[in-house]
Amino acid sequence: EADIYQTPRYLVIGTGKKITLECSQTMGHDKMYWYQQDPGMELHLIHYSYGVNSTEKGDLSSESTVSRIRTEHFPLTLESARPSHTSQYLCASADTDYGYTFGSGTRLTVV
Amino acid sequence: RKEVEQDPGPFNVPEGATVAFNCTYSNSASQSFFWYRQDCRKEPKLLMSVYSSGNEDGRFTAQLNRASQYISLLIRDSKLSDSATYLCVVLRGRDYKLSFGAGTTVTVRA
Repeated sequence: EADIYQTPRYLVIGTGKKITLECSQTMGHDKMYWYQQDPGMELHLIHYSYGVNSTEKGDLSSESTVSRIRTEHFPLTLESARPSHTSQYLCASADTDYGYTFGSGTRLTVV
Repeated sequence: RKEVEQDPGPFNVPEGATVAFNCTYSNSASQSFFWYRQDCRKEPKLLMSVYSSGNEDGRFTAQLNRASQYISLLIRDSKLSDSATYLCVVLRGRDYKLSFGAGTTVTVRA
């Protein structure tokens, strides 16, 4: 049973649309992360948060933005989707004792 | 240079075989090390942590060599269900951010 939830699981959307990828966790973790992964490639960190009102950009530059208004919720927003944003987006939360837990991911296709 | 490098494989092995592969990491200050498993089009899941003295979890054995900056994973008595991509993962410093290798693909055949 998942403790971290991502919606939608799949999203196909037209160029120029605004989209929000949802991520919620029920574990009370302060640390949350967004990773981007293209097929057959490694995960790249694009955003992270260490708690409410804390957000930082990751290693890979991304046009997306994130917010952390509540501990359990860490949504990612693209104001104007482009085909270059097509990828899989994985959300994770972390406990220093037990490591990372990943959500099942959102597979985004921009047409 | 990538922070974590892995042999992509694929390693195609028969059931019951032993398969082993390594990864190398570039940051000597890395603190913790993990192997994650990722099935096709699924999220990564923690397989095991890697401890300095080496550790086993059932048929899986992980080793760490800090001097040479490499980590290894050995799978004994391979099962069909072991077919997956194995990700080498390194914890970078105190900010608790992980760096991922691109993965080593293992396919176990009947």
